[in-house]
Amino acid sequence: DTEVTQTPKHLVMGMTNKKSLKCEQHMGHRAMYWYKQKAKKPPELMFVYSYEKLSINESVPSRFSPECPNSSLLNLHLHALQPEDSALYLCASSQDLWQGVDGYTFGSGTRLTVV
Amino acid sequence: AQTVTQSQPEMSVQEAETVTLSCTYDTSENNYYLFWYKQPPSRQMILVIRQEAYKQQNATENRFSVNFQKAAKSFSLKISDSQLGDTAMYFCAFNGGNMLTFGGGTRLMVKP
Repeated sequence: DTEVTQTPKHLVMGMTNKKSLKCEQHMGHRAMYWYKQKAKKPPELMFVYSYEKLSINESVPSRFSPECPNSSLLNLHLHALQPEDSALYLCASSQDLWQGVDGYTFGSGTRLTVV
Repeated sequence: AQTVTQSQPEMSVQEAETVTLSCTYDTSENNYYLFWYKQPPSRQMILVIRQEAYKQQNATENRFSVNFQKAAKSFSLKISDSQLGDTAMYFCAFNGGNMLTFGGGTRLMVKP
């Protein structure tokens, strides 16, 4: 299995809703990432998990809450989002946080619309 | 901090012709890795080609090749025999051993 699987593919939520994005990989990768991508822009790093521990939080608002229940699974819990949070949310994984040679494997993303 | 610059926001090429996408970067690191990612309308970021900075030989993957100029901190992507399926956003990315830094992207349109 050489894929990163993200669910759901599309999500529409109200500003008072609570929802979660899910990311799964079975490549034995020890680092996992959440990115936010606006249209025609590069991905922006949000969170990094290394060996199931939060390694980096790029000053993301608390309405985004990451969780790494095990080495294969990464969740992003959403609560009280704003319309400007509408974006493509990408999950990625890599063999190790400090191993650069293999690059990252990305999922196909969740298209989030906040209404 | 590393920065990656793609100076061409949009490019177009006729099918079967060759196109070159530019990328420059700034770093004080000596060992690092460079990547080109493709993001088609399907949204998934797909690794196209990678280059290890300590290797002088330019990487090639089928129709994709790079021109890596370490002293000039330049890393361009050449696509030969362009195909309609090459239409996508292309991102240059740098990894100095901890984090992946992306350039702003180049939107490539392959015309029939």
